[in-house]
Amino acid sequence: DQQVKQNSPSLSVQEGRISILNCDYTNSMFDYFLWYKKYPAEGPTFLISISSIKDKNEDGRFTVFLNKSAKHLSLHIVPSQPGDSAVYFCAAVGSQGNLIFGKGTKLSVKP
Amino acid sequence: DTGVSQDPRHKITKRGQNVTFRCDPISEHNRLYWYRQTLGQGPEFLTYFQNEAQLEKSRLLSDRFSAERPKGSFSTLEIQRTEQGDSAMYLCASSSWDRVDGYTFGSGTRLTVV
Repeated sequence: DQQVKQNSPSLSVQEGRISILNCDYTNSMFDYFLWYKKYPAEGPTFLISISSIKDKNEDGRFTVFLNKSAKHLSLHIVPSQPGDSAVYFCAAVGSQGNLIFGKGTKLSVKP
Repeated sequence: DTGVSQDPRHKITKRGQNVTFRCDPISEHNRLYWYRQTLGQGPEFLTYFQNEAQLEKSRLLSDRFSAERPKGSFSTLEIQRTEQGDSAMYLCASSSWDRVDGYTFGSGTRLTVV
C-alpha cells in the first residue's frame, strides 16, 4: 500500500516554462517531506524539504507547497532548464527517520 | 570527504550464489541506511544503523539478507542464496541523527541475478 504517491510517471515541459510535480500522501502523521532528484546511474540527491508547520518553502528556482488538508504537496521549478531533466522523487519521513518514497516522476525539459 | 561510497557499482551473479556489498558513509554521519530500488519504483527502506546498532529492519529484509556495521563505520549488506527477484539497485545513505535533510546517498550497487 503506497503511502506516498506520485501519479504522473512523466512530465515534459519547454525550457523557461514552469514545471509542476505533484505528490499525495495518505498518512496524516507525516510531518516532514523532501524532494530528491535522480540522474541515471547516480543516487538520489536532496533538493528541498518542507515541514508540516509551513505551507511553502523556496530555494532559488525551486518551491515546494504543502496542503495538509488535502495531503498534497507540489514542487515548482521556475524557470525550467534542460539540466533539470531527471527523475524527481517525493518522500516523507517515517517514524524511524527512514524515508518513504513515491515512485517518481520523470521530468524532461526540452530546449 | 568524497561522500558516500558503494562497492561494487555493478554485480552479476548466478541464482543461488551469495553476494556482499559494501558502503562507506560520510565519516561524521552516525546513521546509515540501506534501500532497494527496482525498476519503476522509488527507493524502499531495508534497514538502518545508528552507530554500530541495527535499529530497524523492514519486512522486505528476508532472512536471506543480513547487514552489519562493525565499529559504526562502513557497512556490509549480504544476500544469501540470491533469487532473480533480488535484482535491483541497492542504495546506501548516511546522515546525522538530527539532520534528515542531510541524507546523502551513494551511487548504488546494481545487482543482476541470472
